[in-house]
Amino acid sequence: GDSVTQMEGPVTLSEEAFLTINCTYTATGYPSLFWYVQYPGEGLQLLLKATKADDKGSNKGFEATYRKETTSFHLEKGSVQVSDSAVYFCALLNQGGSEKLVFGKGTKLTVNP
Amino acid sequence: KAGVTQTPRYLIKTRGQQVTLSCSPISGHRSVSWYQQTPGQGLQFLFEYFSETQRNKGNFPGRFSGRQFSNSRSEMNVSTLELGDSALYLCASSLLTQGAGETQYFGPGTRLLVL
Repeated sequence: GDSVTQMEGPVTLSEEAFLTINCTYTATGYPSLFWYVQYPGEGLQLLLKATKADDKGSNKGFEATYRKETTSFHLEKGSVQVSDSAVYFCALLNQGGSEKLVFGKGTKLTVNP
Repeated sequence: KAGVTQTPRYLIKTRGQQVTLSCSPISGHRSVSWYQQTPGQGLQFLFEYFSETQRNKGNFPGRFSGRQFSNSRSEMNVSTLELGDSALYLCASSLLTQGAGETQYFGPGTRLLVL
């Protein structure tokens, strides 16, 4: 079945450091890929998405590129802030007719001032 | 436009009881999906409703059920609660103008504690 593997962390960085969170996937068909973020005590917020190969999703300084050849969708940010501290989830949605999002286990990011 | 709303936000129940959770999707969204989030199992898909019909179901026992109303609002029910049902239950809605594969937007969740 479909699956998502992401680095589990936790990841601790200093403010203004570069962030990479790795995400790879296994899927039949041609999925859409997403990054969601969860702040303490809250639900999931969509951070960015990409629906086809070589698409780059971007939002709030975060970027991820859909790499079909390496089945990856790594999340990057050039300069993190304390307010970026949260749990980040990589997910796929197979476009074969199911609305089932498949999530990675999440990566907890802590940014220190 | 208001986001996805879920009620109640917190619930405490005892083993053997049943519980009903409610979800109101974003206005105009026709699909509602439910997920369970636990520290051990992460985020797992429960089921998805579209036009009052369950289209997809995850790998959960029959104690977990749901329904969708004509206004797209959805409820999920868990009967005969077990300790392991303690979790954050998240609802998500999507527009589904193309039938499948569109972005899901999540509500804040209902945190259920079973004692």
